[in-house]
Amino acid sequence: QQQVKQSPQSLIVQKGGISIINCAYENTAFDYFPWYQQFPGKGPALLIAIRPDVSEKKEGRFTISFNKSAKQFSLHIMDSQPGDSATYFCAGNPGRALTFGSGTRLQVQP
Amino acid sequence: EPEVTQTPSHQVTQMGQEVILRCVPISNHLYFYWYRQILGQKVEFLVSFYNNEISEKSEIFDDQFSVERPDGSNFTLKIRSTKLEDSAMYFCASSGIANTKTQYFGPGTRLLVL
Repeated sequence: QQQVKQSPQSLIVQKGGISIINCAYENTAFDYFPWYQQFPGKGPALLIAIRPDVSEKKEGRFTISFNKSAKQFSLHIMDSQPGDSATYFCAGNPGRALTFGSGTRLQVQP
Repeated sequence: EPEVTQTPSHQVTQMGQEVILRCVPISNHLYFYWYRQILGQKVEFLVSFYNNEISEKSEIFDDQFSVERPDGSNFTLKIRSTKLEDSAMYFCASSGIANTKTQYFGPGTRLLVL
């Protein structure tokens, strides 16, 4: 019940394209959903986060779409750039402990 | 911009030895966490710490693990008798009062147990 399922495992997108990563959660007590970006050998860096009382949040090229009834949320990266190539993790937490998805390795080709 | 720092960046140890991983959380943060990431896998929660005591811990955080805030700035994770399967990247994170849910991660310590 604590799982967050993330897909796809890997994604290749052309420069300028839209990258879409999807996550689904089971625990309805989750009330905070962040996305983290991780470069090799580095710690996860907070990218954007959403709470379940809104359906969408946009920050620059990054948008989270949230569907509470389906218990799903997704990250959209508009105008994807080679510098966006990294591993992206979705997460959720009802309390303090973040439960992470399995990660999506994004490669943006120039 | 304030950031979480961790030392050492890499640690190699022999199985059965004790290791202490150190973290300096963001200065005005009051909630502290340890996570680990086995190579190629997802990040897993170990423990959260607030007001000088553990507030949550996972099944991974068994008796061989302990945490401590020995002074006003450091937060440590001790592994008493390391096992081969403890080899992983260990991340410290912290969050503040204004937004307790938002956790900021350090760069990690890569632990290799031989």
